[in-house]
Amino acid sequence: KAGVTQTPRYLIKTRGQQVTLSCSPISGHRSVSWYQQTPGQGLQFLFEYFSETQRNKGNFPGRFSGRQFSNSRSEMNVSTLELGDSALYLCASSFVGPDTEAFFGQGTRLTVV
Amino acid sequence: GENVEQHPSTLSVQEGDSAVIKCTYSDSASNYFPWYKQELGKRPQLIIDIRSNVGEKKDQRIAVTLNKTAKHFSLHITETQPEDSAVYFCAASMNTGNQFYFGTGTSLTVIP
Repeated sequence: KAGVTQTPRYLIKTRGQQVTLSCSPISGHRSVSWYQQTPGQGLQFLFEYFSETQRNKGNFPGRFSGRQFSNSRSEMNVSTLELGDSALYLCASSFVGPDTEAFFGQGTRLTVV
Repeated sequence: GENVEQHPSTLSVQEGDSAVIKCTYSDSASNYFPWYKQELGKRPQLIIDIRSNVGEKKDQRIAVTLNKTAKHFSLHITETQPEDSAVYFCAASMNTGNQFYFGTGTSLTVIP
């Protein structure tokens, strides 16, 4: 079956702009989480959606937001981009949520200039 | 919240030797501990996981041990091969959803 798909793979944006990233989970998976990966900080949790509801949220400013659609596809949005937002953004899907394996997408590489 | 620490940050071993990566966690409510391998330019992939009701789990050359009392868990790779070279992440999660707290990663290099 198809894996987790993230689009686009690469993005270059200018400081102050906004960006939307997309994540299509594995068919049947209802939980989607988002992570920011940077060389210095590793993988940091942004938020998790389950059945169109945000279930958990990490310690990121309100400029980072997300949503989930009825087909479990998820989007995350970053507004007023800053240079420090440059990172690899990964989403992970799982079947139920707690205590189950999470499958990662290949990520979206965001560069803010 | 949960804090996961991982050591070492870099590790070089000769092919055939063993590699050990250690992680500690802070929140006793954590009950699921996966390990992910991330090769350069690729997505993290689960290689082994352990739940809090188990002390040790093994899968061929890979094993993970968990000490709940001390709040630490370790990854052991035996008979290392060059294709084991990658960044390894430990993680911890609680029974609250698909939310993982990751360690900062260990870059493992296996020297042929």
